[in-house]
Amino acid sequence: EAQVTQNPRYLITVTGKKLTVTCSQNMNHEYMSWYRQDPGLGLRQIYYSMNVEVTDKGDVPEGYKVSRKEKRNFPLILESPSPNQTSLYFCASSSTSGDETQYFGPGTRLLVL
Amino acid sequence: QKEVEQNSGPLSVPEGAIASLNCTYSDRVSQSFFWYRQYSGKSPELIMSIYSNGDKEDGRFTAQLNKASQYVSLLIRDSQPSDSATYLCAVSLTGGYNKLIFGAGTRLAVHP
Repeated sequence: EAQVTQNPRYLITVTGKKLTVTCSQNMNHEYMSWYRQDPGLGLRQIYYSMNVEVTDKGDVPEGYKVSRKEKRNFPLILESPSPNQTSLYFCASSSTSGDETQYFGPGTRLLVL
Repeated sequence: QKEVEQNSGPLSVPEGAIASLNCTYSDRVSQSFFWYRQYSGKSPELIMSIYSNGDKEDGRFTAQLNKASQYVSLLIRDSQPSDSATYLCAVSLTGGYNKLIFGAGTRLAVHP
């Protein structure tokens, strides 16, 4: 089954404690991206990656890091989380050719105390 | 100033009617336009993409793009209660899914 998986699905942490949210896709997609969703603000793109070792900033990259060492994985790293990073996070992937559909993961709900 | 604007709704339509969802964007160089549907508590799912002026139809859905007016819309014909969701408009300045800017979404409620 084609899917994008994210872990963990729910996370409560404290300010300053480094965390990583993993994202993995099994569709051999070149393109992956991270979004955060906040009430009234919609989805905002954090980072995206066109392929292995190729990443670029989205709309709200401050406070986040990403890496793309393997095609299937695109982890989101919060080096020093702060309460304003409390949000719902989505990972997404798509092919850059052929099927243009963008597939979203199930989301990770993060609470930073 | 928001770059992609949508009416937050809720837009309430009776079952079987046409639902019309609208979106305006501020950047004239925008190249790709997308409509997503998001059910409460679920992930967004892409339902339509459009790249050139005019209409694009897919089943009960029609996307309309007018670049001169910086306006993109989504029509849902024969609306069903299962269409009740939040519809997100998204615009890319560079093409594809790069630099994707989303509107805050319009909540659609289809009542029997």
